[in-house]
Amino acid sequence: DQQVKQNSPSLSVQEGRISILNCDYTNSMFDYFLWYKKYPAEGPTFLISISSIKDKNEDGRFTVFLNKSAKHLSLHIVPSQPGDSAVYFCAAHTGAGSYQLTFGKGTKLSVIP
Amino acid sequence: NAGVMQNPRHLVRRRGQEARLRCSPMKGHSHVYWYRQLPEEGLKFMVYLQKENIIDESGMPKERFSAEFPKEGPSILRIQQVVRGDSAAYFCASSPWPGDTQYFGPGTRLTVL
Repeated sequence: DQQVKQNSPSLSVQEGRISILNCDYTNSMFDYFLWYKKYPAEGPTFLISISSIKDKNEDGRFTVFLNKSAKHLSLHIVPSQPGDSAVYFCAAHTGAGSYQLTFGKGTKLSVIP
Repeated sequence: NAGVMQNPRHLVRRRGQEARLRCSPMKGHSHVYWYRQLPEEGLKFMVYLQKENIIDESGMPKERFSAEFPKEGPSILRIQQVVRGDSAAYFCASSPWPGDTQYFGPGTRLTVL
């Protein structure tokens, strides 16, 4: 049972344009959401997170939006750069003190120069 | 480099042998988590340890797998009598306290022949 779903296995975007990566979840107990970026043969690198009490969090070129009623979040990267090409994982846990991250299967982003 | 360290990076074992994977957390982090990533899948939680204690091993297979985090030295994930289905990337993460952002190591890629 996939509690965190990333329905697009891959996404191609032109350099300079916006990249939008989507994530849906089914567990209403999830309270905190994270995005990780992963290059081949490396471990996931933390990118940005959002608590369920917010609907938006921004850090430089990266913005995460959360729609709790739809159980949907998205990561926006603008402008996209070739170095952003990687696999992006959406992850969630059930809040304060929780540690078990539940990951989606990932979306491979390719930014075309 | 103060990041999470894992070794070996690659490990090849024949069926029936033992595999030992090591993880040194970031400096100042006393909470360690192990995750497994099968091909084309997201990361799956296996076990959460603090120094000398296993806090949650709900994601560990019931047989052949064990983990420890001794008072001195790295955390060890041990797989006895490996089978082909154990072939995967094993990632270790650490955090300063439970529920805080987890920082991942580069992973150990286990191949069982």
